[in-house]
Amino acid sequence: DAGITQSPRHKVTETGTPVTLRCHQTENHRYMYWYRQDPGHGLRLIHYSYGVKDTDKGEVSDGYSVSRSKTEDFLLTLESATSSQTSVYFCAISTDRGFSNEQFFGPGTRLTVL
Amino acid sequence: EDQVTQSPEALRLQEGESSSLNCSYTVSGLRGLFWYRQDPGKGPEFLFTLYSAGEEKEKERLKATLTKKESFLHITAPKPEDSATYLCAVQATGTASKLTFGTGTRLQVTL
Repeated sequence: DAGITQSPRHKVTETGTPVTLRCHQTENHRYMYWYRQDPGHGLRLIHYSYGVKDTDKGEVSDGYSVSRSKTEDFLLTLESATSSQTSVYFCAISTDRGFSNEQFFGPGTRLTVL
Repeated sequence: EDQVTQSPEALRLQEGESSSLNCSYTVSGLRGLFWYRQDPGKGPEFLFTLYSAGEEKEKERLKATLTKKESFLHITAPKPEDSATYLCAVQATGTASKLTFGTGTRLQVTL
């Protein structure tokens, strides 16, 4: 158990509303990631963080922003949700061993945008 | 651009019927190849990391192998509890720990 929690676990919202998803870790890892998972596309990286206030974009970052003000929390915000952002969102942390790193995933948040 | 292709998309086996899942990849420079298992409604669960061609890792009924172009996940005498989606991912050198995933193989093991 990598000590990762995500909240909320399920959310239904309407187009145009802002949404914030939270990822919390208990093990003080430096790297944190947000992915979305959609049928036929697999897991795709949205944004990642390599330290407090240090973040960078992944391959599908348009329409998303992130913040990391504390080591343990990584927030994903949809400023104005669209139906194309209906997906399952996973947070992950990295063990950051230098040469390579395994990533461990949270339980996911299922987001539906109507 | 890094790419990962997994085959088959779906596989149905009877209990005890061994088989292999394939993960083909193209990457500028391989830092690591990862296998995950994902059960419905849950996050991916880490299984193995492979770093260089010729390397093998085993865990219970699973064995992962790596060549310069592909990786195989061999499942020996599977049980129904091995039913899951198996995901492959690659990490390229100089990519700040980012992973590129395949779309997975959905495995069903029946009695």
